[in-house]
Amino acid sequence: DQQVKQNSPSLSVQEGRISILNCDYTNSMFDYFLWYKKYPAEGPTFLISISSIKDKNEDGRFTVFLNKSAKHLSLHIVPSQPGDSAVYFCAARASSSGSARQLTFGSGTQLTVLP
Amino acid sequence: NAGVMQNPRHLVRRRGQEARLRCSPMKGHSHVYWYRQLPEEGLKFMVYLQKENIIDESGMPKERFSAEFPKEGPSILRIQQVVRGDSAAYFCASSQATDTQYFGPGTRLTVL
Repeated sequence: DQQVKQNSPSLSVQEGRISILNCDYTNSMFDYFLWYKKYPAEGPTFLISISSIKDKNEDGRFTVFLNKSAKHLSLHIVPSQPGDSAVYFCAARASSSGSARQLTFGSGTQLTVLP
Repeated sequence: NAGVMQNPRHLVRRRGQEARLRCSPMKGHSHVYWYRQLPEEGLKFMVYLQKENIIDESGMPKERFSAEFPKEGPSILRIQQVVRGDSAAYFCASSQATDTQYFGPGTRLTVL
């Protein structure tokens, strides 16, 4: 039972354009969401997070949007750069549950930014 | 400020041997987490530890797997009598309290 889903295994975008990566979740206890970027043979690198009390968080070229009613979040990267090519993981946490610290990850989306 | 360190980066074991994976958290972090990533999948939570305590091991297989985070030294994930299905990338993360988890580079375990 996948509680965090990234339905697009891959996405290709032209350099300079916007990249939109999507993530859906099913567990209504999730109240904190994170995006990580991962290059081959490296560990995930934290990008940006959002609490369920907000609907948007911005950090430079990265913006995360949260739609709680739809249980959907998205990561926007603009403008996209070739160095952004990596696998992007969405992760969620249920802060008030007995397993408050564990992150539940989606299966990832491979982003390729074409020069 | 060094990040999360993991060693070895690559580990090859034959079926039935033991695997020991080490993780040194970021300086100042007292919370350690272990995750496993199977090919083509996302990371799956295994265990959460603080110094000398296992806080949440709900993701750990019931047999052959154990973890510790002693008062001194790195956290250790130990897999006894490895099987081919244990082949995966094992990632350690650390954090302060409820802060963001920062990941190490991972240990890639191959079981022959």
